[in-house]
Amino acid sequence: NAGVTQTPKFQVLKTGQSMTLQCAQDMNHEYMSWYRQDPGMGLRLIHYSVGAGITDQGEVPNGYNVSRSTTEDFPLRLLSAAPSQTSVYFCASRKTGVTGELFFGEGSRLTVL
Amino acid sequence: AQTVTQSQPEMSVQEAETVTLSCTYDTSESDYYLFWYKQPPSRQMILVIRQEAYKQQNATENRFSVNFQKAAKSFSLKISDSQLGDAAMYFCAYKPPQGGSEKLVFGKGTKLTVNP
Repeated sequence: NAGVTQTPKFQVLKTGQSMTLQCAQDMNHEYMSWYRQDPGMGLRLIHYSVGAGITDQGEVPNGYNVSRSTTEDFPLRLLSAAPSQTSVYFCASRKTGVTGELFFGEGSRLTVL
Repeated sequence: AQTVTQSQPEMSVQEAETVTLSCTYDTSESDYYLFWYKQPPSRQMILVIRQEAYKQQNATENRFSVNFQKAAKSFSLKISDSQLGDAAMYFCAYKPPQGGSEKLVFGKGTKLTVNP
């Protein structure tokens, strides 16, 4: 019962470096999303997808890219990391069309120096 | 755009007592879904309770209950008989109706401290 798996759990980057946060779910969920959590800001939606090949921007998409080539995977790419991207990132998934809960990964803490 | 407001950044409660966390939201929809999520220090997000707007009855889950006031667009969470394990960040969230956007919108959270 893996659920939503995020890797890595911790990462330190230098400004300008690139990296990919991986997210995989084994529940056959159509909807997948990435949030960032910052103190006093709650969870803000970065990008989301309602199925393979379909992605869309959320509230704070700048500086991030996503793709959805399979139902299971939804990686988040930082092409040129900036200190403002220091945050905790959560991947979450759910079935579409129903009111079921959003299942979250354990989060990834990213620090950009 | 829909917004969710949690006006209490921090709250505290004595163990075994009752505490209420506030949440208000803004929407023009008549049918939607509301959630409370708990985030303990482990960082894992856990669903506490869910309410469908078309249901007049307030949702309850053991010691957790909501006061859903649709006209006032208010969705408060009541925790009864508070326990040390209830200490966490609590997030209120809104989801548009089925057939609409699949996105959940979260409030900024309330940090709950439980004092022994």
